Parts: sequence; C-alpha cells; structure tokens
Amino acid sequence: DIQMTQSPSSLSASLRGKVTITCKASQDINKYIAWYQHKPGKGPRLLIHYTSTLQPGIPLRFSGSGSGRDYSFSISSLEPEDIATYYCLQYDNLYTFGGGTKLEIK
Amino acid sequence: EVQLQQSGPDLVKPGASVKISCKASGYSFTGYYMHWVKQSHGKSLEWIGRVNPNKGGTSYNQKFKDKAILTVDKSSSTAYMELRSLTSEDSAVYFCARSYYDQGAMDYWGQGTSVTVSS
Repeated sequence: DIQMTQSPSSLSASLRGKVTITCKASQDINKYIAWYQHKPGKGPRLLIHYTSTLQPGIPLRFSGSGSGRDYSFSISSLEPEDIATYYCLQYDNLYTFGGGTKLEIK
Repeated sequence: EVQLQQSGPDLVKPGASVKISCKASGYSFTGYYMHWVKQSHGKSLEWIGRVNPNKGGTSYNQKFKDKAILTVDKSSSTAYMELRSLTSEDSAVYFCARSYYDQGAMDYWGQGTSVTVSS
C-alpha cells in the first residue's frame, strides 16, 4: 500500500500570507495527487487534481506542484474563507489520503 | 447542479449492521463511479471502496472487505453502503463521493453520515 506523509499537521498563517503544505509518497505516484479543502459538517471540496490542474471555479491563489514522490500545495494569499483542513490524496494505486493539515489564522 | 444527498445519522448497537444511502442528482448516475470514505473522529480520511453504478462491479480497500458491502439502485440513482458486525471502531462519519474514472480523483462529495456504535 502507498503511504502519504503530509506536513505540517497544523499551520498558523497571516491573512494575505503564503501557505505551503507538502505530501511525500512512499513510492512514485506519477503525479496522481489531488488536494482537498475540508470544512466541518461538509464533504471535502476538490481543489486540484493531477498535481496542478485547478478544478473549475477554484481561485487562482491555489496551486500545486511536484513529481515522483514529492508534492506541494500552496495558497498564495490567504483569505479568511481558506480556514479549513487540507488533505492530499494519491490515486495512482487505489487511494490513500495524507494525514491532513489544519490551517488557522495567526 | 450535482448533489449527493446522504441519509441521516444513525445510532446502532454493537454487533448490528447499518445501511447508509447516497442519492445522486444533477448528473448521469451510471456515468460515474461512487466511492465511500471513512473519517473517524478527529482523524484523517480512509478510502473504503468504490462501486461502478453501471455494471455493479466493486473494488475494496483490503481493510474493509469484510466490513462494507457496496451496492446501487439505478432506478433511484442511489448508492448504498452496508456496514456489518459493528464495533466502536466503526463509529465515524462516512462520505460518498463520485469519480469519472475508475482510478480518478473524487470531484463531488456528500455531506457525510455520522454512525455511532453504542449499547
């Protein structure tokens, strides 16, 4: 099974600041990684798939990059509505989620 | 508008079974795979498995192959997940989510169904 190590587990950032989250896979996942935003009481929201492809309607301040085993997700200018928990998901071989990153405002 | 509407919360006794539903609307139900994901309290997400609503084929996470049964009713565009022999470890929120491809990222999710296992 593929393991996904996501860091950090929690993050405090300033409004309009930049945020970066990383995920490291236990093996090459061929860029098949997605990033989700999850708020309490709702289902996760798909932001990015295939490493860097933004879902329609997702603001351009969200971005993703990486290859092989190492991937990152960034928010270029943090907005109040971005407060949530973020998860990576590998879907190269079945499905494995990262442990999540809880994002808070500093 | 794509919507996945899940059934309400359940309180069930240890050893019993529970069946959660996920009613799809706003798209062709048989054109997308339906997945189920578990979120234990305060923890991350675990993929349980997925069902092909068109042909009924299933794929499971080995961890859940004896726990979950995934089915669909095409006539009502509804997917179901039955969880059996429940223990406290099964207390969690369960989500349904669709994907276009067999091995694709899930793009729309239900709101989640809380299952509490308690005597």
